[in-house]
Amino acid sequence: KNEVEQSPQNLTAQEGEFITINCSYSVGISALHWLQQHPGGGIVSLFMLSSGKKKHGRLIATINIQEKHSSLHITASHPRDSAVYICAVLPSGYALNFGKGTSLLVTP
Amino acid sequence: GAVVSQHPSWVICKSGTSVKIECRSLDFQATTMFWYRQFPKQSLMLMATSNEGSKATYEQGVEKDKFLINHASLTLSTLTVTSAHPEDSSFYICSARASGASSYNEQFFGPGTRLTVL
Repeated sequence: KNEVEQSPQNLTAQEGEFITINCSYSVGISALHWLQQHPGGGIVSLFMLSSGKKKHGRLIATINIQEKHSSLHITASHPRDSAVYICAVLPSGYALNFGKGTSLLVTP
Repeated sequence: GAVVSQHPSWVICKSGTSVKIECRSLDFQATTMFWYRQFPKQSLMLMATSNEGSKATYEQGVEKDKFLINHASLTLSTLTVTSAHPEDSSFYICSARASGASSYNEQFFGPGTRLTVL
């Protein structure tokens, strides 16, 4: 089974700070997802990566396939970014393996 | 982007009753839909994979007779929790994978359904 490890588990930042969340996995994958889950529970897909880097607004996601590692960066963080961020990987096959999530709190 | 809806968003039912949860892909066809459950402060756990027109594939430990899944069309999958008990109370989330090779790896998630069994 592909283990997915996220760090940190919890993160508190002040508004405006640059934030990095890390994800490591143990076997080869075909894709990696970064998901955002707000307190209400709904999940939003932020990125799907298979290589390189993607940017959307203040969010940047990178992946290093050789090192089996991905990072999610948030620039100029805002309280509305407070949520749980989940890394999920797709090994060959169809079922996503999920990390346990990083709980982010951005304070004003 | 692709939108997946779930209905209802929350439901409270009595023990012993059955509850049906719908998952719809609104602007794309989904040959495969996935059903997850999530306990508080836990990660998502895959329950089953649903392919349109065929029987669902259940993960180990998930009772197929208790969690009935139907994927009758390319835009709709349903999960029925039969004879619900309080331990079935959870947050149920579906996701859908669009048809077509270019989006094979991409899944779109529904907003979830919170089930409370009294």
